[in-house]
Amino acid sequence: DIQMTQSPSSLSASVGDRVNITCRASQGISNFLAWYQQKPGKVPKLLIYAASTLEPGVPSRFSGFGSGTDFTLSIGSLQPEDFAIYFCQKYGSVPLTFGGGTTVEIK
Amino acid sequence: QVHLVQSGPEVKKPGSSVKVSCKASGGTFSNYGISWVRQAPGQGLEWMGGIIPVFGSANYAQKWQGRVTITADESTSSAYMELTSLRSDDTAVYYCATHGISSSANYFGFWGQGTLVTVSS
Repeated sequence: DIQMTQSPSSLSASVGDRVNITCRASQGISNFLAWYQQKPGKVPKLLIYAASTLEPGVPSRFSGFGSGTDFTLSIGSLQPEDFAIYFCQKYGSVPLTFGGGTTVEIK
Repeated sequence: QVHLVQSGPEVKKPGSSVKVSCKASGGTFSNYGISWVRQAPGQGLEWMGGIIPVFGSANYAQKWQGRVTITADESTSSAYMELTSLRSDDTAVYYCATHGISSSANYFGFWGQGTLVTVSS
């Protein structure tokens, strides 16, 4: 099975900072990579699919890039509502696998 | 826009089984698949398996083979996840989520509200 490794597992940042979260696949997955945001006690929300395609309604400060094994979620200017946990997910062939998550906390 | 409504919280004894339902509205049930994703307290997301109702057969993560059964009923636009031989470490929130039929689109666009299953003697 393909394993997904996210880093860092947590980070502290200030409002207005640029934040990058990385996700590495143990084998190449083309661009079959999605990113989700989950706030405490809430349901995960799809942000990005196909590595770089923004889901409608997601603010443009979110962006994704990468292909093959290495992917990045970037938040251009962190807003108070962005403090949450972010998960990557590999799709395409089963099993569908999530990364371990990255907690973005307020500095 | 698809709206998923799951059944309510459950408290179960070790060794018993639980069946969680997920009813869809909006969209066309035959146009997407439904997967089940588990989240233990304070932990990450874990795909358990999924089904494409129009095809009928389910896929499961190897970890869950033999202990989980996922079914769907097109007549009621509902999906079900049954987990047997429950253990205390099965205590978690179980989500249903929709995904595309094609493997190039099986990311999760819409999610149910989650069902907390607590396993305790």
